[in-house]
Amino acid sequence: DAGITQSPRYKITETGRQVTLMCHQTWSHSYMFWYRQDLGHGLRLIYYSAAADITDKGEVPDGYVVSRSKTENFPLTLESATRSQTSVYFCASSENGFYGYTFGSGTRLTVV
Amino acid sequence: AQKITQTQPGMFVQEKEAVTLDCTYDTSDQSYGLFWYKQPSSGEMIFLIYQGSYDEQNATEGRYSLNFQKARKSANLVISASQLGDSAMYFCAMREKSGGSNYKLTFGKGTLLTVNP
Repeated sequence: DAGITQSPRYKITETGRQVTLMCHQTWSHSYMFWYRQDLGHGLRLIYYSAAADITDKGEVPDGYVVSRSKTENFPLTLESATRSQTSVYFCASSENGFYGYTFGSGTRLTVV
Repeated sequence: AQKITQTQPGMFVQEKEAVTLDCTYDTSDQSYGLFWYKQPSSGEMIFLIYQGSYDEQNATEGRYSLNFQKARKSANLVISASQLGDSAMYFCAMREKSGGSNYKLTFGKGTLLTVNP
């Protein structure tokens, strides 16, 4: 199916475990983004990528790792999950970063 | 410092009335873009309207219009003839260049709009 998909939709993990959230888009968009949404904070940018093998830190990158070896995939890894990383995570993509940002359905992550 | 400020955590409006959601921004770029997104209780992010910094006319999309005041760095969303289905969280966002080369999109904290029958 065309579009941007995130997996899993829901995830519960334990403190200290590594967890990877997946994001896949079928449009060959150059730009991809990861945000976390928390009550009272809106959406905060974690990492973004302008093209394959190019990634930049956003506002809240600590505790997260990204990679982008293929244009269509932009996985987000929590190397050692903490309770403060309990959040809803959104992935987004844009063809050129100028306009047309499209969001995935989100992943609700709970760290216990 | 916050780049996007939405000063209204919550707003109430009567059905069929108009409502304005405030957004101010901070950037030193000459070229930037402003977006509004709607997030209903189901959670998806829905694009509503876009205004480029060089656009001379205020953007409009159906019942949505963007009141762009460049000198004041404000980009308020106006929803005319509110409907019950407009009840949602609304986010203002700004696209700007980061480090002079790549674009990024940053968001405000949002305004929760409730439309009363």
